[in-house]
Amino acid sequence: KNEVEQSPQNLTAQEGEFITINCSYSVGISALHWLQQHPGGGIVSLFMLSSGKKKHGRLIATINIQEKHSSLHITASHPRDSAVYICAVRETSGSRLTFGEGTQLTVNP
Amino acid sequence: ETGVTQTPRHLVMGMTNKKSLKCEQHLGHNAMYWYKQSAKKPLELMFVYNFKEQTENNSVPSRFSPECPNSSHLFLHLHTLQPEDSALYLCASSHPGQGTNYGYTFGSGTRLTVV
Repeated sequence: KNEVEQSPQNLTAQEGEFITINCSYSVGISALHWLQQHPGGGIVSLFMLSSGKKKHGRLIATINIQEKHSSLHITASHPRDSAVYICAVRETSGSRLTFGEGTQLTVNP
Repeated sequence: ETGVTQTPRHLVMGMTNKKSLKCEQHLGHNAMYWYKQSAKKPLELMFVYNFKEQTENNSVPSRFSPECPNSSHLFLHLHTLQPEDSALYLCASSHPGQGTNYGYTFGSGTRLTVV
């Protein structure tokens, strides 16, 4: 069992829909990252959070440390949001990141 | 560009070849990382360098040899690779150590195909 579990693995939505991607982890962490990977491979860091909630444009990330759970929400989704979204945690014991398997999001026009 | 530059973007090499991947950042970060992303698998950490010193080797075969001549540059030397080594190799950098006041920055990756 992976230390970082994401759901769903694949998600297809219609443009405009509200989207939620979930991440659960089993280790103690100092921070959690949400990353976006487009076809071609480059990875962009969307959020780094250790508590509460962060918002950037149409993206919202929340984390519940007690429940070891985080969610990434996309409001008013758009086809350009189509990408793989990856949850990664930085364990309290070091500097490395442990990654989830990613969620492939496809937003259809 | 994210601030972390990887070259080449694509590489095809034979199993007897020797090649090198390069990563460069001028973000003032002192920690640099090599990750491997194989199809349908999560990213796997390969190596970590803090202040030019290797601090983690995640049981990587010796046919992968990292080099970090300074805090801004990181290389991955490849020799006698196997077809199963074909993957996307990603470089990242950050401020080292614990704490939350840091960010990870990833490069665009090198897509490696071993034939």
